[in-house]
Formats: sequence, C-alpha cells, structure tokens
Amino acid sequence: AQSVSQHNHHVILSEAASLELGCNYSYGGTVNLFWYVQYPGQHLQLLLKYFSGDPLVKGIKGFEAEFIKSKFSFNLRKPSVQWSDTAEYFCAVGGYQKVTFGIGTKLQVIP
Amino acid sequence: ETGVTQTPRHLVMGMTNKKSLKCEQHLGHNAMYWYKQSAKKPLELMFVYNFKEQTENNSVPSRFSPECPNSSHLFLHLHTLQPEDSALYLCASSQLGTSTEAFFGQGTRLTVV
Repeated sequence: AQSVSQHNHHVILSEAASLELGCNYSYGGTVNLFWYVQYPGQHLQLLLKYFSGDPLVKGIKGFEAEFIKSKFSFNLRKPSVQWSDTAEYFCAVGGYQKVTFGIGTKLQVIP
Repeated sequence: ETGVTQTPRHLVMGMTNKKSLKCEQHLGHNAMYWYKQSAKKPLELMFVYNFKEQTENNSVPSRFSPECPNSSHLFLHLHTLQPEDSALYLCASSQLGTSTEAFFGQGTRLTVV
C-alpha cells in the first residue's frame, strides 16, 4: 500500500529559525517524492520533487529536502524561515497509479 | 494558472439540490483526481481516473458521483448532500508513467445549507 506520514501537524517558529518537517512514506516500487505548499487562500503548488539522482533536492524559496532511502524519509528543511513561509505543507509520494498525500503540516512563522 | 481549471469557484447548495463540479486540464495528462479538503482534516483522496477509467474510489458516499468523459475533463455530480460535505473540492491531474507530479486546480468551495 502507498502511504505518507507527516509527524508534525502544527509548527510555530519565529522568523530566522530553522525548519525541518518530517515525512515518511511507504511504497514498494520506484518512488517519486514531492513537497507541496498551500499558502492561505491559494491552491496547492509544487515546492520541490525527487525522482532520481542526488538525494538532496533544492526547491523554490530556499527550501530543500533529503531523500534517505534506508529510512523511507523525505524531510523538508529551510535554514531560516520568513513570515511569508506561513502556509500548509504537504508531503506526497507518486507511484504508478496515483499520488498520495500526507495529512499536512501547518507552519506559522511569527515575525 | 496551473493548467487545471475548476468551475465554479464557489457553490452554495441546499441539501435537496443537484449540482455538478467541473474540472478541465490542459496539460495532456492521463490521470485525474478529486480530493476533499476540510478544515482540520487531512487531504482526502476521493476518486482517481487513469485513462478515463476509475481506478480508485475511497469509500466515497454515493451522493458523490464522478464522471470522466475524456482524459481532459472530470466532473463531480452532487445530490442530496449533507452539511458535513461542505469543504474545498480539489481537482488534480498528473502524467502517470513518467512524472507523477500532480497539478492542482484552485478548487471549488462548496457550502451545503
């Protein structure tokens, strides 16, 4: 079965703090991994993705994620968050048949 | 603009009404999805269509009826809904077999009164 688990449902950080959001997945085949972001009032949009190659993936707005195959993890990181990063973040795994999303993590950045 | 267009953007309907949500993708993708996003709940996958064939129905009540006439269009027919069905309904598409990245529409904000 294809599943995604996000461990932090609500995270509150001060500006300039470092961010790491956990994501673990379960899938038996070749996996494609994604992080999506949904800013308040906006649609879900892709932040970054991993298909193959370098397990450290860099995305937009200074975000990066590291694929660790042995841990079935794809954690999202950002060294220094800004107030504009306040949003909901979704980890997703893409298999042959479909894309499955995690529950989402709401990030609130306090100025 | 994501290449996935949903109409209407907002819909208010009574519990005895029948309405339909429409989704159109201009990306040439072969898979389309309906998701439900409710406040304080995870993103719920409702239906998946691959090459116009329904491949997944996540125990969705029969008052929600999907239709996929071709690989570019996806409908969600609604009838006798309940107030708890009020939510944001998201359509997405992806190209299976190559890149499975999903592209989302803006969603339809549904309120059942």
